[in-house]
Amino acid sequence: AAGVIQSPRHLIKEKRETATLKCYPIPRHDTVYWYQQGPGQDPQFLISFYEKMQSDKGSIPDRFSAQQFSDYHSELNMSSLELGDSALYFCASSLRGSLNTEAFFGQGTRLTVV
Amino acid sequence: SQKIEQNSEALNIQEGKTATLTCNYTNYSPAYLQWYRQDPGRGPVFLLLIRENEKEKRKERLKVTFDTTLKQSLFHITASQPADSATYLCARKAAGNKLTFGGGTRVLVKP
Repeated sequence: AAGVIQSPRHLIKEKRETATLKCYPIPRHDTVYWYQQGPGQDPQFLISFYEKMQSDKGSIPDRFSAQQFSDYHSELNMSSLELGDSALYFCASSLRGSLNTEAFFGQGTRLTVV
Repeated sequence: SQKIEQNSEALNIQEGKTATLTCNYTNYSPAYLQWYRQDPGRGPVFLLLIRENEKEKRKERLKVTFDTTLKQSLFHITASQPADSATYLCARKAAGNKLTFGGGTRVLVKP
């Protein structure tokens, strides 16, 4: 079965550069989530989209922005990168439905800022 | 503020024993709680969901309970195996589509 696809898997950027992470949700899933996971931490919610509209926002820095496109794929744009942005970034998708729908996570993008 | 929290200490357990993990929630009453497994460097994988009106849910060697009086969910791995070693996360999905995790508990099953 198709899973959530993230690209790239690994990304190395220098401080103050810009990075774009891509996420392709499971077909027919209408909700996309973005998470940031630092070493030894649990995934921290950044932002979510439902039917291409932002549906909820977590602790996402102003330097980050995200959107969901007409084909339902999503991109997380990160500007003025800082060393502290180095982390695993996960995308997940689900059917919004009610509160009892689980999320399916991608394999993540490991971002290293040097 | 509304929180779900797990014991951050790692759980070391002997193969064949039952591992029990705790997820506590405060300042709200979740209609559902979800449990995920995460291996190092990989995305969380959904395991089980339990509703507030369900006392217990099972899937193979996994069992989840929900105690609304104690404001707690317990996650059990019975007959544990070294392959069960991972971090286990409880999660709640709030209205507005925000799925938040409880910190996770690392489990190490020793042969």
